[in-house]
Amino acid sequence: EVQLVESGGGLVQPGESLRLSCAGSGFSFSSFWMTWVRQAPGKGLEWVANIKQDGSEKYYMDSVKGRFTISRDNAKNSLYLQMNSLRAEDTAVYYCARGRGVDLWGQGTLVTVSS
Amino acid sequence: DVVMTQSPLSLPVTLGQPASISCRSSQSLVHSDGNTYLSWLQQRPGQSPRRLIYRVSNRESGVPDRFSGSGSGTDFTLKISRVEAEDVGVYYCMQATHWPPWTFGQGTKVEIK
Repeated sequence: EVQLVESGGGLVQPGESLRLSCAGSGFSFSSFWMTWVRQAPGKGLEWVANIKQDGSEKYYMDSVKGRFTISRDNAKNSLYLQMNSLRAEDTAVYYCARGRGVDLWGQGTLVTVSS
Repeated sequence: DVVMTQSPLSLPVTLGQPASISCRSSQSLVHSDGNTYLSWLQQRPGQSPRRLIYRVSNRESGVPDRFSGSGSGTDFTLKISRVEAEDVGVYYCMQATHWPPWTFGQGTKVEIK
């Protein structure tokens, strides 16, 4: 089955770190750009970061530059998002999605930043 | 950044009746390669988003043919020919022509009257 499965979300305090993972299966993971998108509670979708197939290009939304790092391990069919210096406004469900056109989505993982 | 503006933001519809959602971009979404990277996503209550339409008018496999996309340049439309109960949810347009950033519309909530 073609799918993406996120993990790693949880409750953290402001300033702390968290690492999200996304496991792809059923498709050639290394052939696709991969994307992180987030959705704050009750809000719309917001693009967070992208990474090229070989990791040579990475793009971030302005508010996470310098705090978040996107990476991938094609041997493990996995995508990651290292989130440092977390803020309350980073609270959201984080989705990984396939490609720059986001044609396949995971179920999401909830990140809550609160003291 | 390309701003995507959807209307209406809320759309009450009667079962079996048509529905239409508009999406306008702040600049033309025609890419230098000639393609227009405008997609429509559906998010049913409690579910992840799902891509319905890509490159303006191409339906994903398994998407009912009551869904259709049209438009060009800066003006795009998603139409549902006859709304069914399973169509309730929030619909987003998204552009992948001018990046970064990739940008979404605010979302249109479709509900049954």
